[in-house]
Amino acid sequence: EIVLTQSPATLSLSPGERATLSCRASQSVSSYLAWYQQKPGQAPRLLIYDASNRATGIPARFSGSGSGTDFTLTISSLEPEDFAVYYCQQRVNGWTFGQGTKVEIK
Amino acid sequence: EVQLLESGGDLVQPGGSLRLSCAASGFTFSSYTISWVRQAPGKGLEWVSAISSSGGSTYYVASVKGRFTISRDNSKNTLYLQMNSLRAEDTAVYYCAKEQGGMRPFDYWGQGTLVTVSA
Repeated sequence: EIVLTQSPATLSLSPGERATLSCRASQSVSSYLAWYQQKPGQAPRLLIYDASNRATGIPARFSGSGSGTDFTLTISSLEPEDFAVYYCQQRVNGWTFGQGTKVEIK
Repeated sequence: EVQLLESGGDLVQPGGSLRLSCAASGFTFSSYTISWVRQAPGKGLEWVSAISSSGGSTYYVASVKGRFTISRDNSKNTLYLQMNSLRAEDTAVYYCAKEQGGMRPFDYWGQGTLVTVSA
């Protein structure tokens, strides 16, 4: 089983700041890594697939990078609606999610 | 417009059974692998089970193997999850989620249905 470890668990930032979230896989997932955003009481929303491709309708301030075992989600300038929980997910060997990173208002 | 609508969640006693349904519309249901993903209260996302487009292949997380059964009826555009021998740790919101295709992530999710296992 591929384990995904996200860091940090919580990120406290102000609107307008840059957010950098990390996801590390226990073995290579090539580029089969996705990122989701989830707000309270809502289903997750796909942000990034194949490590760096934005899903339909996702603003350009969201970007993904990495391959193999180390991946990063960057939000270039936080908007008020970006404060949420973010999950990474791999699909190369079954399906697993990271434990999530909460981006909260400082 | 793609829509996934779960139903069937309820309060059930430990050891009991429940069947969840997910009605799909807005896409060619029979062409996609569909999964169930759950989220315990205040916790993260956990993939539970998946079924291939034809229904010929099914997959389960270890903790539900032998207790849960995923199935689909492509003529009714509906996904099911039969849950038996339920445990308190199965308490969660259960989402159905559609894959993009190939080894790709979930591009559409339902709104979820709550399963509570408690005496």
